[in-house]
Amino acid sequence: QKEVEQDPGPLSVPEGAIVSLNCTYSNSAFQYFMWYRQYSRKGPELLMYTYSSGNKEDGRFTAQVDKSSKYISLFIRDSQPSDSATYLCAMSGFGQNFVFGPGTRLSVLP
Amino acid sequence: EAGVVQSPRYKIIEKKQPVAFWCNPISGHNTLYWYLQNLGQGPELLIRYENEEAVDDSQLPKDRFSAERLKGVDSTLKIQPAELGDSAVYLCASSLGYWLAGDTYNEQFFGPGTRLTVL
Repeated sequence: QKEVEQDPGPLSVPEGAIVSLNCTYSNSAFQYFMWYRQYSRKGPELLMYTYSSGNKEDGRFTAQVDKSSKYISLFIRDSQPSDSATYLCAMSGFGQNFVFGPGTRLSVLP
Repeated sequence: EAGVVQSPRYKIIEKKQPVAFWCNPISGHNTLYWYLQNLGQGPELLIRYENEEAVDDSQLPKDRFSAERLKGVDSTLKIQPAELGDSAVYLCASSLGYWLAGDTYNEQFFGPGTRLTVL
């Protein structure tokens, strides 16, 4: 079992839909959780950073962390074609390096 | 402000040839990372520098990979000799300090990567 698992997709949704992206993990030491967006031929860029459990909202994006279930989610409201990209989750324990998930490819169709 | 610069963007070589990648981090960023990203996978850390010191190179395959950051600014990653399985994207990232310093989160900024194809 990999340390971080993520459905690779591709996930196709119509413009305006609510998108739910998820990761599961096995390492109970993980406390720091990130979501990155990666466009084709580009490097990842940070979308959301969350420490420990709970929700965090930033514009159309909401990140949720459920440490008891070892499950994190990213919700995108009112999805736009410009949201079409690969979404990577990443996580870490204190003093450790990131472990990235394999990414989910999202296509938002106009 | 300029982001992380990497060159070349693309490189095609034959197996057993050497290859080098260059990275110039964001000005003032002390911490520099090299990552390997295989197709359909997330980035995996190869090496992390704090200024000119390699503080974490545990994942770097030292038999064929080497890296340097001589003046604590730009960095070079080298592969010699390259193998077919080295075909991947090599990403460089930088941050003000280690990504977590006390309670402070230092965001990593990634460059566009160098896409290596080994034939």
